[in-house]
Amino acid sequence: GNSVTQMEGPVTLSEEAFLTINCTYTATGYPSLFWYVQYPGEGLQLLLKATKADDKGSNKGFEATYRKETTSFHLEKGSVQVSDSAVYFCALSHNDYKLSFGAGTTVTVRA
Amino acid sequence: NAGVTQTPKFQVLKTGQSMTLQCAQDMNHEYMSWYRQDPGMGLRLIHYSVGAGITDQGEVPNGYNVSRSTTEDFPLRLLSAAPSQTSVYFCASSYSQVLTYNEQFFGPGTRLTVL
Repeated sequence: GNSVTQMEGPVTLSEEAFLTINCTYTATGYPSLFWYVQYPGEGLQLLLKATKADDKGSNKGFEATYRKETTSFHLEKGSVQVSDSAVYFCALSHNDYKLSFGAGTTVTVRA
Repeated sequence: NAGVTQTPKFQVLKTGQSMTLQCAQDMNHEYMSWYRQDPGMGLRLIHYSVGAGITDQGEVPNGYNVSRSTTEDFPLRLLSAAPSQTSVYFCASSYSQVLTYNEQFFGPGTRLTVL
């Protein structure tokens, strides 16, 4: 079946550091890939997405590239801020009615 | 435009009690769903609905019932609460069931503890 594996946290960084969160997936065909973010005390929000191979999703300084050859969708940001502290979820949609989520990675950015 | 709202925010139940988690959206979305979030397991789909009167099971439906009598509301019922149902529950909605292209909007969650 479809599944998503993302790096375990927690991840603690200093402000302006480079952030990478690894995400790999298992699916047949060509799923759509997503990164969702959950800020403390809130529900999930869509951060970015890519719907086909080699697409790059970007938002709020975050980027992720859909790599079919490595079945990966790693999230990166060049210079993190305290406000980026959150839980990040990688997800895929292969069928039209369901998202499969990874376990989530907690990121804490210190001033 | 309130988006997706959930009530209550917190709830404590005793084993065997029943309750209903409320979810409403004001975006006229056809697709609604319920997830539970457990540490180290991400979000798992409980039930979903592609329109009023139409519901179906997700990955972990046992112990939960849903109905969709209106487009706006999608309540989740726990029939006889068990400690294994201690979790954070999220309701989500989307313009359509084509989730490969349509963003899901999530409510703020309900934290449920079953003693």
